[in-house]
Amino acid sequence: KNEVEQSPQNLTAQEGEFITINCSYSVGISALHWLQQHPGGGIVSLFMLSSGKKKHGRLIATINIQEKHSSLHITASHPRDSAVYICAVGHSGGGADGLTFGKGTHLIIQP
Amino acid sequence: DTGVSQDPRHKITKRGQNVTFRCDPISEHNRLYWYRQTLGQGPEFLTYFQNEAQLEKSRLLSDRFSAERPKGSFSTLEIQRTEQGDSAMYLCASSLTLAGWGNEQFFGPGTRLTVL
Repeated sequence: KNEVEQSPQNLTAQEGEFITINCSYSVGISALHWLQQHPGGGIVSLFMLSSGKKKHGRLIATINIQEKHSSLHITASHPRDSAVYICAVGHSGGGADGLTFGKGTHLIIQP
Repeated sequence: DTGVSQDPRHKITKRGQNVTFRCDPISEHNRLYWYRQTLGQGPEFLTYFQNEAQLEKSRLLSDRFSAERPKGSFSTLEIQRTEQGDSAMYLCASSLTLAGWGNEQFFGPGTRLTVL
């Protein structure tokens, strides 16, 4: 059983649509990360959050600690948002904060 | 350049050969992480350093894998006697530790290894 589950695995939408990607986790965490990975491998950190909500441009990330659930929203989606979006958690309880990753959501925004 | 860099970006090798990858973290970052990503999967944690000390190793890191960070700056990851199953993208990330807080990690572009 994966500690981090994402849904959907694949998502195709039209330009302008509101996008939601979900992440559920089963362990105690110190923080949850949303990452973006483009073809070719480069990973960019979008958000790191441990409570509430963060917004950056057209991207919004929320987390519910009690429900162990986070969502990433993209408003007014654009073809350049096409990428793999990965949820990752850092474990609580000391020790390493090497991240545990979900498998990613492959997003395609069609013009 | 202030980002995380990795070298080489691509490596093709024959089964049984040894390979070494290098990661240069962001200069003031004290933590350095190695991850492995196979096609269609999310990255998996391999090991991490705080300064020069290797503090944790994943069970994924077999005896054929060794990582060093001798001066607390750049790090190397060596794979001995490579196997086809080692083919993957090897990602490095760095962060600045803040006590009691999960740290934002900055990723390098990765080294793609192909074992023939």
